[in-house]
Amino acid sequence: AQSVTQLDSQVPVFEEAPVELRCNYSSSVSVYLFWYVQYPNQGLQLLLKYLSGSTLVKGINGFEAEFNKSQTSFHLRKPSVHISDTAEYFCAVSEAGVSGGSYIPTFGRGTSLIVHP
Amino acid sequence: NAGVTQTPKFRVLKTGQSMTLLCAQDMNHEYMYWYRQDPGMGLRLIHYSVGEGTTAKGEVPDGYNVSRLKKQNFLLGLESAAPSQTSVYFCASRRYPSTDTQYFGPGTRLTVL
Repeated sequence: AQSVTQLDSQVPVFEEAPVELRCNYSSSVSVYLFWYVQYPNQGLQLLLKYLSGSTLVKGINGFEAEFNKSQTSFHLRKPSVHISDTAEYFCAVSEAGVSGGSYIPTFGRGTSLIVHP
Repeated sequence: NAGVTQTPKFRVLKTGQSMTLLCAQDMNHEYMYWYRQDPGMGLRLIHYSVGEGTTAKGEVPDGYNVSRLKKQNFLLGLESAAPSQTSVYFCASRRYPSTDTQYFGPGTRLTVL
């Protein structure tokens, strides 16, 4: 079974500053990794995902994440945040190569990114 | 293409009342999921379905039932609502067998008094 830990429940930052949201996972097999964003009063939408290949993944809205297998991490970064990036961010993991009904991703508890002017 | 829709958006129930939440998707996805979201708890899986006519329990299934009579619809039922079921409920769908992402609905905010 896999698990996900988002190390920070809340990250306050000033506009135009860089930000890193941390995500660590635990799994005995290869994994796929996802970051989702949830804006206030909305559902989740995909920011980016890692399936295989290059460990640096670029997503929407200027976000990127790096898969580090040795540290079992998938941290999300943005070099300069905007007020509009204020949202809840969720890291998720699922087992790679699993077929059938076992394609159940596990979500972290979320990190609230608060961007101050 | 509406994606994933949920009905209703808001609902207030009294303890012991029943209700059904409807999730519909128009993307011909095989997999569908019901989650609840509570502060500090992230998303917890209630039930899921891998195809029409099949359902399975997730992490927190107690007090809920589901049905998937049609491929595009996934219903979540509360037979006797309890205050502990006050939450925001999200439905999601996903293609099979690819590594595609989950597509989420806008959520249903349920309050049980």
